[in-house]
Amino acid sequence: QSVLTQPPSASGTPGQRVSISCSGSTSNIGSNAVTWYQQLPGTAPKLLMYDNNQRPSGVPDRFSGSKSGTSASLAISGLQSDDEVDYYCATWDDSLDGWVFGGGTKLTVL
Amino acid sequence: QVRLQESGPGLVKPPETLPLTCIVSGDSIRSSSYSWAWIRQPPGKGLEWIGSVSYSGTTYYNPSLKSRVTISIDTSKRQFSLRISSVTAADTAVYYCAREWIQLWHRLDYWGQGSLVTVSS
Repeated sequence: QSVLTQPPSASGTPGQRVSISCSGSTSNIGSNAVTWYQQLPGTAPKLLMYDNNQRPSGVPDRFSGSKSGTSASLAISGLQSDDEVDYYCATWDDSLDGWVFGGGTKLTVL
Repeated sequence: QVRLQESGPGLVKPPETLPLTCIVSGDSIRSSSYSWAWIRQPPGKGLEWIGSVSYSGTTYYNPSLKSRVTISIDTSKRQFSLRISSVTAADTAVYYCAREWIQLWHRLDYWGQGSLVTVSS
């Protein structure tokens, strides 16, 4: 049971815009910035979004992030077949004094 | 470019201790802007933070693992280490080390490629 709640799956067609939600509490998302990670099969997670809505160098602007209260969201526009991988949200939890992750969302491009 | 590389035994017998080391290159392990973290991922499952260590040796552990985990840092060797005692099959996972940016808001910005550790007799 993950501290942050993500839908286990999401889907969309090429070119479409999809969103992945991440729900937490006041001690984690409500108090700290959210990060998002993209994980291709058999590889390490890669930082996709930090400080709620900041993209690291090299991440396309098709990816965007937002946060409101104790929830966050990752949006992907212009969906491509390469986007069909796993996505994780994460943030620091002030009560646990450590990182907490969502359970991950597997994105399918139909 | 920052690089992190995990190393350790691929197989550990229960109830022995699991040892892993992460070597850092391309950046200063002594910087106060970073901590250094361990995260694991059981096969087919999600990510779990194990703990972090600062350049000065201050540690933070996941409460669910704290009684069995020790993380240490050796800045002279540019490496930090993880030890998990009394392992069981539930500790079978890919173990990742990562750099943790800790200025204002945290982020895990660079990750190692991961090291698969299987716990089996």
